[in-house]
Amino acid sequence: SQQGEEDPQALSIQEGENATMNCSYKTSINNLQWYRQNSGRGLVHLILIRSNEREKHSGRLRVTLDTSKKSSSLLITASRAADTASYFCATSGSSNTGKLIFGQGTTLQVKP
Amino acid sequence: GAGVSQSPSNKVTEKGKDVELRCDPISGHTALYWYRQSLGQGLEFLIYFQGNSAPDKSGLPSDRFSAERTGGSVSTLTIQRTQQEDSAVYLCASSLLGVNEQFFGPGTRLTVL
Repeated sequence: SQQGEEDPQALSIQEGENATMNCSYKTSINNLQWYRQNSGRGLVHLILIRSNEREKHSGRLRVTLDTSKKSSSLLITASRAADTASYFCATSGSSNTGKLIFGQGTTLQVKP
Repeated sequence: GAGVSQSPSNKVTEKGKDVELRCDPISGHTALYWYRQSLGQGLEFLIYFQGNSAPDKSGLPSDRFSAERTGGSVSTLTIQRTQQEDSAVYLCASSLLGVNEQFFGPGTRLTVL
């Protein structure tokens, strides 16, 4: 069964706008990761935030984590057409075995 | 350097046949994972190999599914007596021991007719 719920399921914005995706999870975690998937094939790791961190930045990406609400958000600033993809959050349990539980994903379309 | 590779990239089979899917992880990565992604869905964990430890098979959906990892490198996922509901993209990933970022292969798209 899936750990996470993501919203929105789909998001369509204009190039240059910001995109925000949210992820909620159910159990205690060691870390939460965000991945991008193009064309329904391999995933690319974007960013990892540990359970004792609240915010992390990487380029145009900003991730927040609220462990009290069991939720995370991914913000992509100044979006580009090349950001069009599906975005998934994935959690690693508190035992940190490496096994990831993925959310259902948000499909982002950035219109040029 | 070479990433994770998977073969075949596409596989069409008839219901009831057995299939084998192969994954070559990044050299030196001790952890290897298999996931399944059905159309428009998130990834479903199947099985996880970590070094010489016993694999975590908790995600395998039925006893028709099995996986091996020979010599700590290449892995084969076998599905026996395939059913139409097995149709999905099967993704393999690998990582370094103790490192959380997983590197994914391009996947094998399995279609069971």
